[in-house]
Formats: sequence, C-alpha cells, structure tokens
Amino acid sequence: EVQLVESGGGLVQPGGSLRLSCAASGFTFSSYSMTWVRQAPGKGLEWVSVISSNGYDTFYSDSVKGRFTISRDNSKNTLYLQMNSLRAEDTAVYFCAKKMESGTFPDDFWGQGTLVTVSS
Amino acid sequence: DIQLTQSPSFLSASVGDRVTITCRASQGISSYLAWYQQKPGKAPKLLIYAASTLQSGVPSRFSGSGSGTEFTLTISSLQPEDFATYYCQQVNIFPRTFGQGTKVEIK
Repeated sequence: EVQLVESGGGLVQPGGSLRLSCAASGFTFSSYSMTWVRQAPGKGLEWVSVISSNGYDTFYSDSVKGRFTISRDNSKNTLYLQMNSLRAEDTAVYFCAKKMESGTFPDDFWGQGTLVTVSS
Repeated sequence: DIQLTQSPSFLSASVGDRVTITCRASQGISSYLAWYQQKPGKAPKLLIYAASTLQSGVPSRFSGSGSGTEFTLTISSLQPEDFATYYCQQVNIFPRTFGQGTKVEIK
C-alpha cells in the first residue's frame, strides 16, 4: 500500500525557515517524480514544486522560486521541501504527492498534509 | 502560466441528480487534464486523467470529456458520498496549475 507521510510543519515567524519531509513507502520511491502542493486555509490547491525521480530536474511556481528548494534522498525514501524567507502568504497545508508515471501524468497518491503557519 | 477557470464555483444538487462541471484553459492543453475530488480535511483524490480516463477504483458514474481548452466532469447520478469540492489540473506544462474549485453541496 502506498503511503506518504508529511512532517515538519509548525509555527514560524515571517522571514524564518522550515524544512518539510515526506516519508514514502509501498512503492519504488526512486522510480517516481514527486510533487509538493499547498492549500491555504479555506482556499484552493496551489502547485508548488516537482522533482524528477533521480533528483536532477526541478521546477517551481513563481510564488516560491528562489525561496523554496525541493530535494530527495532515494536511499531514505524521503522527499524534502526547504522553505526560506517565509511569508504570511505561505501559510497553508502542504501535501506531498507521487506522480503517476513519467511524462504528462498527474499525481495519483497524496499524503494527508502538514500545516505551516507563518505568523509573528 | 496556463489559467484554468472552473464553472460553476458552487453547485447545489440533490442525490440522483446529473451534475456537470466545466473547466476552461487559457490555452490549448490537448488532453492533459486531470480531475480531483477533495473532502474537508482530506487529501485530494485522483478521479480522471488524460481528460477522460477513469482512475482505478473510481465509480463509473464519474466521467470526463474534452480536449484543447474546454473540459467537463460529469457525475451521472449524484450520491451522498460525492458531496465535495472538485478541482481540475492541467499537466501539460509547468507550473501545473489548478482550477479554483467547484464545491458541490446538498440541496
């Protein structure tokens, strides 16, 4: 059974940093691209970032480019999101998700999310 | 970035109703569109990909159609467990944008 478990969320002050983790199990982690998606309280889904299966290729939304870094450790079956220079508008539940297949396919499994609150 | 506009944003319907949600893209995306269902406090669930392919385990009352810039999600006979928010997502290019969502509530 595919499982994705996010951790690392919490309360952080504006300008601060946080690193999210996503522990994967139930599939060959190193074979799949992985995604981060966020959802501000009461709002819709916002795509944040993706990383290729080998970690060489990454893409970011304009709203986080230059501040967030996605990475992965295939030996630990873990995905990361390093978030720096955090702003109030980064407050959201952050979901990690597994890409269905390589190419133009969506994410087929999602974790339950971890809440990040940016506030003084 | 590709913008996705869903209509309506809110829909009130009864059990057994046929429901249709539309997703329009700001530029052509071929058939690279997915639909998700999200219930409060839960992660999104993939329903349909490639515009019309039903994800494994999803009931056949859900169907998708369209290509290019206009897409639809149809629920043929609304069930109590279908009351949720539905999102479309284009997977053609990065960033992989979502529509703003359509909330389906009980009439």
